[in-house]
Amino acid sequence: AQSVSQHNHHVILSEAASLELGCNYSYGGTVNLFWYVQYPGQHLQLLLKYFSGDPLVKGIKGFEAEFIKSKFSFNLRKPSVQWSDTAEYFCAVRGDDKIIFGKGTRLHILP
Amino acid sequence: EPEVTQTPSHQVTQMGQEVILRCVPISNHLYFYWYRQILGQKVEFLVSFYNNEISEKSEIFDDQFSVERPDGSNFTLKIRSTKLEDSAMYFCASSELVRGMDTEAFFGQGTRLTVV
Repeated sequence: AQSVSQHNHHVILSEAASLELGCNYSYGGTVNLFWYVQYPGQHLQLLLKYFSGDPLVKGIKGFEAEFIKSKFSFNLRKPSVQWSDTAEYFCAVRGDDKIIFGKGTRLHILP
Repeated sequence: EPEVTQTPSHQVTQMGQEVILRCVPISNHLYFYWYRQILGQKVEFLVSFYNNEISEKSEIFDDQFSVERPDGSNFTLKIRSTKLEDSAMYFCASSELVRGMDTEAFFGQGTRLTVV
């Protein structure tokens, strides 16, 4: 069975700082990888996804993530965060039929 | 853009009562899911559903829970006798392909269930 771990529970940054959120997964076979974002009071929205091909994937709102197969990692990055990026971020992996989510990282951006 | 819709957005129920949470998946999708998120915790998989039967379920999805696709559009989650610990946000999701790989899951807005 697959599992996902996110390294940071709560991250606080100032606007314009760079962001990297760690995600590692465990699964023996082919995976699909996702980052979802949940803004306060809202539902899950897909930020980006990796299925195959170029391991550097770009998503919405300037986010990107890099799949490093040897490290079983899929870290999320953004060069310059904005106050509107305040949200909870979930890394997720699909190794069979279901998507399994990490515990989430609460990102708080100071204006 | 097509979306997954869930009703109601908020349901308050008394402990021991039965609740039915409703979802309308995206019309050409074949794979359906229920997830829940207890306040402040992670999103947890409950069940996946394909071809009118449960494909996979988690240990959370015990005999209190059931799912159904009563017609061509709705997908429901029933909790037979609610407990306080069932209070959570319940998300429905759907995806297009048969086995679910190489496709994203689209999530609904969620139903906040409060058991009192």
